[in-house]
Amino acid sequence: ETGVTQTPRHLVMGMTNKKSLKCEQHLGHNAMYWYKQSAKKPLELMFVYNFKEQTENNSVPSRFSPECPNSSHLFLHLHTLQPEDSALYLCASSPDPVTDRVNSPLHFGNGTRLTVT
Amino acid sequence: DQQVKQNSPSLSVQEGRISILNCDYTNSMFDYFLWYKKYPAEGPTFLISISSIKDKNEDGRFTVFLNKSAKHLSLHIVPSQPGDSAVYFCAAIAISNFGNEKLTFGTGTRLTIIP
Repeated sequence: ETGVTQTPRHLVMGMTNKKSLKCEQHLGHNAMYWYKQSAKKPLELMFVYNFKEQTENNSVPSRFSPECPNSSHLFLHLHTLQPEDSALYLCASSPDPVTDRVNSPLHFGNGTRLTVT
Repeated sequence: DQQVKQNSPSLSVQEGRISILNCDYTNSMFDYFLWYKKYPAEGPTFLISISSIKDKNEDGRFTVFLNKSAKHLSLHIVPSQPGDSAVYFCAAIAISNFGNEKLTFGTGTRLTIIP
């Protein structure tokens, strides 16, 4: 049990579909993140939410739309994706975006493996 | 341009021997470094970290060494065990760069421990 749960674990969608990824954390953390892991590339930060407010959008295309209704839940809404968006999408949480990261690093979920056809 | 580089995509080590994973960085503002470990079908988990004011941090079988002048850090695992087989990610952050703190990851090194 990682404390960060992501659903679904696998998702196959067409380029015209609309789908959503869900993340839930049971750690009482205030900050939540979306990361993208593509093959042979570093983990890329997509979005950061702190106390439900988006504090960082790392130049992510608008076909990815995050939503954070509360500090425990984070969604990533997907629409009109491209095949190159196929990747592992990882959600993470931490007590605070920065100050506590030194003492309590990111806690990741197991990810959603997304395939865009 | 990648600021954190793990130039070895894979490494195989005999069980019981020492595993050494390397990481280089280019951003001199980085002042805190972390290693994460990832098993297949799981998210990365934190392993060990080091502040730039230190040159060594040890936790059981895991030791991280930092050479600031060379902008290089390494993770030593000794003795290596089969359960250590995983992908290891190096990450760095500039804690002191207020307003621009961002955790930057390397591409990972796949470690295989041979029984």
